[in-house]
Amino acid sequence: KAGVTQTPRYLIKTRGQQVTLSCSPISGHRSVSWYQQTPGQGLQFLFEYFSETQRNKGNFPGRFSGRQFSNSRSEMNVSTLELGDSALYLCASSLRGAEIALGYTFGSGTRLTVV
Amino acid sequence: AQSVTQLGSHVSVSEGALVLLRCNYSSSVPPYLFWYVQYPNQGLQLLLKYTSAATLVKGINGFEAEFKKSETSFHLTKPSAHMSDAAEYFCAVTGNTGNQFYFGTGTSLTVIP
Repeated sequence: KAGVTQTPRYLIKTRGQQVTLSCSPISGHRSVSWYQQTPGQGLQFLFEYFSETQRNKGNFPGRFSGRQFSNSRSEMNVSTLELGDSALYLCASSLRGAEIALGYTFGSGTRLTVV
Repeated sequence: AQSVTQLGSHVSVSEGALVLLRCNYSSSVPPYLFWYVQYPNQGLQLLLKYTSAATLVKGINGFEAEFKKSETSFHLTKPSAHMSDAAEYFCAVTGNTGNQFYFGTGTSLTVIP
């Protein structure tokens, strides 16, 4: 079965712009989480959605937002981009999410570069 | 609060030698612990996970890890390194809510031919 699909794979944006990243989870998975990966801060949790509801949120400014659709696909949006937002953004999906032992499957990520 | 510490940001081993990547955790509740591997320009791939069953966990590609509560450790080992093992390795622990990973800073493994 298809894995977690993130689009686009690469993105270059100018400071001050906004960007939307997309994540399609594995078929049947209802939980989608987002992580930011940077050389300086490592992997940091952004937020988690389950059945269109945000269940958990990391320590990021309000410029970072997300949503989940009825088909479980998720988008994250970053407004007023800053140079420090340059990162690899990873999406992970899980069947239910609460039972983390079931495991999360990660996508290949979207590489965002802010210039 | 949950956290993990990975000792050694860079580890080099010769091909065929033992691989040992260290991870110590801090958790106020019985943890779930994971090791993930990341190849260049790729996402994270699950190597193995500890979920309070057997303390010695076997994963993919010949890797295994042992949960030691007394030492709060979950070190990753492989008896014989292969060139294809060169990658970034991340240890992770779950949060209180059970749906959030706390990752270590990663260990870059280099395998020398």
